[in-house]
Amino acid sequence: GQNIDQPTEMTATEGAIVQINCTYQTSGFNGLFWYQQHAGEAPTFLSYNVLDGLEEKGRFSSFLSRSKGYSYLLLKELQMKDSASYLCAVTRGGDSWGKLQFGAGTQVVVTP
Amino acid sequence: NAGVTQTPKFRVLKTGQSMTLLCAQDMNHEYMYWYRQDPGMGLRLIHYSVGEGTTAKGEVPDGYNVSRLKKQNFLLGLESAAPSQTSVYFCASTGTGNTGELFFGEGSRLTVL
Repeated sequence: GQNIDQPTEMTATEGAIVQINCTYQTSGFNGLFWYQQHAGEAPTFLSYNVLDGLEEKGRFSSFLSRSKGYSYLLLKELQMKDSASYLCAVTRGGDSWGKLQFGAGTQVVVTP
Repeated sequence: NAGVTQTPKFRVLKTGQSMTLLCAQDMNHEYMYWYRQDPGMGLRLIHYSVGEGTTAKGEVPDGYNVSRLKKQNFLLGLESAAPSQTSVYFCASTGTGNTGELFFGEGSRLTVL
């Protein structure tokens, strides 16, 4: 089975940095995704990590440590539009690419 | 740029009624999925399909049936709706070249009274 944990909510100020941690315990791990979901909308893809290390994509970065079962999503220069839920999800890959196991999501609230 | 389209967007049912949610994708994706999302819980996989004519059970399949008669369509059926099936349902698809990135529909909010 798989167990994925992430904080329920985080609050930060516009322009600041926030780091969302995700820990997982899983068998057959092949990669970790981060998705963003605004209220009432569909999740949208942010990043995918399969190797250890940091992947940077503009204001967003994602880090993975396979040996520690740990990932984080770093949001820099926060903007009001970044207020959303951030979902951590793991995959076993192969024919199971889309069979994601999701965490409950972290609600990020950006304040002026 | 339709992507993944779900119908209907909203539906209210009475306990015991049946209904079908339709998911259509225009990206020629092989894989399609139905997830449900409930407050305080992560998205959970109901059923999925790895190609036309195939279906398989996910994490929470009980009370649901699916069919994939055409590659672009994936139907989710509730034969006898229960209040526990009140949820937001998301369809998603992906292709073999997408490293697993899922493309989600906008969701269907179902309430069972």
